[in-house]
Amino acid sequence: DIQMTQSPSSLSASVGDRVTITCRASQSISTYLNWYQQKEGKAPKLLIYAASSLQSGVPSRFSGSGSGTDFTLTISSLQPEDFATYYCQQSYSTPIFTFGPGTKVDIK
Amino acid sequence: QVQLVQSGAEVKRPGASVKVSCKASGYTFTDYYIHWVRQAPGQGLEWMGWINPNSGGRNYAQKFQGRVTMTRDRSISTTYLELSRLRSDDTAVYYCARDRGSYYDFWSGSSWFDAWGQGTLVTVSS
Repeated sequence: DIQMTQSPSSLSASVGDRVTITCRASQSISTYLNWYQQKEGKAPKLLIYAASSLQSGVPSRFSGSGSGTDFTLTISSLQPEDFATYYCQQSYSTPIFTFGPGTKVDIK
Repeated sequence: QVQLVQSGAEVKRPGASVKVSCKASGYTFTDYYIHWVRQAPGQGLEWMGWINPNSGGRNYAQKFQGRVTMTRDRSISTTYLELSRLRSDDTAVYYCARDRGSYYDFWSGSSWFDAWGQGTLVTVSS
């Protein structure tokens, strides 16, 4: 099975900061990598699909990059509404899917 | 607009079963796979499996094999998750999520979860 890891597991940042979250797969997954945002008590929300494509309606301060085993989610200028937990998820091994453990972004 | 509306919270005894529903609206129900994902308190997201609402075909994460059953009722655009032999560590919020892909997209790996239900809290306690 493909294992997903994320780093860091949590971070503290200030409004306006540039934030980078890393996701690593245990084997190459090409660009079959998606990112989700989850706020406390809410369902996850799709941010980025296929490693770098921005989901409709998601602010352009969010971006994704990477291929193979290493991927990055970047928030160019952190806003108050961005404090949340972020998860990566691979779809390379369809019909089996795997989420990363999550990265919590909170206020510094 | 696409909506997935789940059934309400449940409290169950250890060893019992629970059945959670997920009613779809705003799109053609049989065109999109549905996944089930759970989240234990304070923990991350855990993928459980999927069902093809058209054919009824399904696939489960190995961890849940033998305890989970996913079904659908096309007449009311609803999918169901049933989990049996409940344990205390099955206490979690259970989400349904729509896979954005067509049959071809899904099986080629171009797959992501573009709509989610609101979640159903299942509490297992004696």
